[in-house]
Amino acid sequence: AQTVTQSQPEMSVQEAETVTLSCTYDTSESDYYLFWYKQPPSRQMILVIRQEAYKQQNATENRFSVNFQKAAKSFSLKISDSQLGDAAMYFCAFNSGGSNYKLTFGKGTLLTVNP
Amino acid sequence: NAGVTQTPKFQVLKTGQSMTLQCAQDMNHEYMSWYRQDPGMGLRLIHYSVGAGITDQGEVPNGYNVSRSTTEDFPLRLLSAAPSQTSVYFCASSYSLYRVDEQFFGPGTRLTVL
Repeated sequence: AQTVTQSQPEMSVQEAETVTLSCTYDTSESDYYLFWYKQPPSRQMILVIRQEAYKQQNATENRFSVNFQKAAKSFSLKISDSQLGDAAMYFCAFNSGGSNYKLTFGKGTLLTVNP
Repeated sequence: NAGVTQTPKFQVLKTGQSMTLQCAQDMNHEYMSWYRQDPGMGLRLIHYSVGAGITDQGEVPNGYNVSRSTTEDFPLRLLSAAPSQTSVYFCASSYSLYRVDEQFFGPGTRLTVL
């Protein structure tokens, strides 16, 4: 069974600075998908970024980028120029692809942005 | 499009009561699922469906029933509520069966079982 580990229950960052959230996973699959979801206080789950394992290039979405290290099974999220609106719980999630639709989530990292 | 909608937003039950959490989507998505979110546990899959008439169990299915009679609706039933089912419940849908892509989440239902 796949597992997703987020080792940082809480992180904080100063506004305009950069923060990196860690995620590691365990799988025997060679092709899979990784996601970062953001959950603000409104509880709405919002997809931040998506990475396909067969793509070596790290995904980027505006101020959000990932460092995908397939051999190390590591998938960290970097938030640049942090904004107050980035404050939220961030979840790393894994999917093994194919006919498996299940998302396996980590326990989350609560990000605080200080003004 | 309204996206994924869930009702109610909040619910308090007594142990042993039954209820149905409603989920609907207007995006013609084939895949729908239910997750529960508990503090310190992340989200865990309860049940999922890959189309009308087809459902399957997820990671934590005990105590919950589902059915999928239409593409749009995927209700979650608690037959006899227990305090352990106190949680926030999320419904999600995705348009693709052949490629895992973004799952669209509803706003959640906060359920308390006394």
